Amino acid sequence: EPEVTQTPSHQVTQMGQEVILRCVPISNHLYFYWYRQILGQKVEFLVSFYNNEISEKSEIFDDQFSVERPDGSNFTLKIRSTKLEDSAMYFCASVMTSKGYEQYFGPGTRLTVT
Amino acid sequence: GESVGLHLPTLSVQEGDNSIINCAYSNSASDYFIWYKQESGKGPQFIIDIRSNMDKRQGQRVTVLLNKTVKHLSLQIAATQPGDSAVYFCAENTGGFKTIFGAGTRLFVKA
Repeated sequence: EPEVTQTPSHQVTQMGQEVILRCVPISNHLYFYWYRQILGQKVEFLVSFYNNEISEKSEIFDDQFSVERPDGSNFTLKIRSTKLEDSAMYFCASVMTSKGYEQYFGPGTRLTVT
Repeated sequence: GESVGLHLPTLSVQEGDNSIINCAYSNSASDYFIWYKQESGKGPQFIIDIRSNMDKRQGQRVTVLLNKTVKHLSLQIAATQPGDSAVYFCAENTGGFKTIFGAGTRLFVKA
């Protein structure tokens, strides 16, 4: 069964550094998402992406964040200058339709900012 | 504003019993609801969904009930098994590209 993959599984970075989290969505999916989950808390929507542009973003997704689909397979989340409070699990998800039918989530990247 | 929340943060059931996990939502414009299961160290996994024009939907061992009058969503798991132990999230979608998750309920299944 096809699955969403994410790399790295764990990223440790120093405050102020830039990080890029990578995702490979399921190949025939059209809509892509990033979520984050601070330890022990709920999953929070960050951004959705379709047709090479952001469809919607949350208030969390400020100017420090950006997303890109640099080629036909990868979907990346960049944090330009990480803060301690960016430490969380970051999940990528993909889905075929805009209604979020059966969003398929990746295993996540644990980001630790020190 | 938008909010999706859960009545009970933890639920403990005996193996073989039925489980009911509840969720309240506040956005009456939401037209699509989803239940996800999250096991430790993994991403959320789709369980079942329901559209706002339905009040019940059944899957394999799971049933989702939607009561739009009181803005309430529930997930019923029949014959709960140890493998069902996880955190369960309800989520809502208002027809756009944004899915709002609830706080989560941890289900413990006692053998």
